[in-house]
Amino acid sequence: DQQVKQNSPSLSVQEGRISILNCDYTNSMFDYFLWYKKYPAEGPTFLISISSIKDKNEDGRFTVFLNKSAKHLSLHIVPSQPGDSAVYFCAASDSGGSNYKLTFGKGTLLTVNP
Amino acid sequence: DAGVIQSPRHEVTEMGQEVTLRCKPISGHNSLFWYRQTMMRGLELLIYFNNNVPIDDSGMPEDRFSAKMPNASFSTLKIQPSEPRDSAVYFCASSLRNYGYTFGSGTRLTVV
Repeated sequence: DQQVKQNSPSLSVQEGRISILNCDYTNSMFDYFLWYKKYPAEGPTFLISISSIKDKNEDGRFTVFLNKSAKHLSLHIVPSQPGDSAVYFCAASDSGGSNYKLTFGKGTLLTVNP
Repeated sequence: DAGVIQSPRHEVTEMGQEVTLRCKPISGHNSLFWYRQTMMRGLELLIYFNNNVPIDDSGMPEDRFSAKMPNASFSTLKIQPSEPRDSAVYFCASSLRNYGYTFGSGTRLTVV
């Protein structure tokens, strides 16, 4: 039972264009969401997060949008760069539990073509 | 700090053998997590520890899997006996009272 779903296994975009990665969740207790980026042969690294009290969080070229009613979040990368090519994982947590346990999606492989 | 250190980076073993994966968390971090990454299931949480105490091991697939954290600076994940379906990348992560996980580089396990 996947509580965090990334339905697109892969995405290919041209350099300079927008990349939009999507994530859906089913657990209504989730109230904190994160995106992690993973290069081959490395561990995932934290990219950006959002709390359920917000609907948008921006950090440079990266913006995460949260639609609580639809249980959907998305990561926008503008403009996309070849160095952004990686696997992106969406993660979620119920912060009411104090153990900071994250549930991850399966990931989306983003390829940014020069 | 050198970050989360996992060893070995690669492990190839024969079915039925015991495998031990090791993790050294970041000094001062009080939570440690073991994840497994596969194409089919993505990143799955196997077990996590708070202050060296196992909190939730519901993700451990079978009794063949066990994990220990004897002190704040070391944890092991053991598979005995190993099977081909255990082949995956195993990640250890640590954090300090928040969601700021730091992952290690992972151990790629191949069971033949």
